[in-house]
Amino acid sequence: SQQGEEDPQALSIQEGENATMNCSYKTSINNLQWYRQNSGRGLVHLILIRSNEREKHSGRLRVTLDTSKKSSSLLITASRAADTASYFCATDTGANNLFFGTGTRLTVIP
Amino acid sequence: EAGVAQSPRYKIIEKRQSVAFWCNPISGHATLYWYQQILGQGPKLLIQFQNNGVVDDSQLPKDRFSAERLKGVDSTLKIQPAKLEDSAVYLCASSLTRMNRDSYEQYFGPGTRLTVT
Repeated sequence: SQQGEEDPQALSIQEGENATMNCSYKTSINNLQWYRQNSGRGLVHLILIRSNEREKHSGRLRVTLDTSKKSSSLLITASRAADTASYFCATDTGANNLFFGTGTRLTVIP
Repeated sequence: EAGVAQSPRYKIIEKRQSVAFWCNPISGHATLYWYQQILGQGPKLLIQFQNNGVVDDSQLPKDRFSAERLKGVDSTLKIQPAKLEDSAVYLCASSLTRMNRDSYEQYFGPGTRLTVT
């Protein structure tokens, strides 16, 4: 399967702490994307990192990509209660078809 | 900018019945996707359209699922007949046309939650 796997499956932290989620995948990719899903706003794109990039930032988000290990991580700094959601990595192998992982459920406790 | 619209938001049917979902993508987005998301899992691509042509339907259970995008804008996804395991959220997404292996982000609709009893 080309689907990625996130680790951990669930994460609970206090507001203000940092949250790190990891994603592993199996095939060569063109890019890797992270999405957030909550009941209020549905599935929303967060950040895209291309296979020739190693690190990317967007606001409080930092994404790294290690193609040799076929892994990526998403760091959310200074977490807020509003960050409570499920986070998915999705790999694009070159056909703009995304293969989503199983997700990490993040709970930020106020 | 209006987002991806989907209807209905919820649907409950009995097994062996038929159901159809509708999607209106963001204006100007030539690529449209249908995903199935089973509770506790990530979305799984069912079919991808480029304008009104099918790009990838390799994961669409064609014995019971069908989809069309006749005029290259709106799309419908149909299940006939439904099975219990079809209970899921059906998500529609759209994106700009891919160029030069450069991907664009996908914009998702709110989804249709289908319950098959």
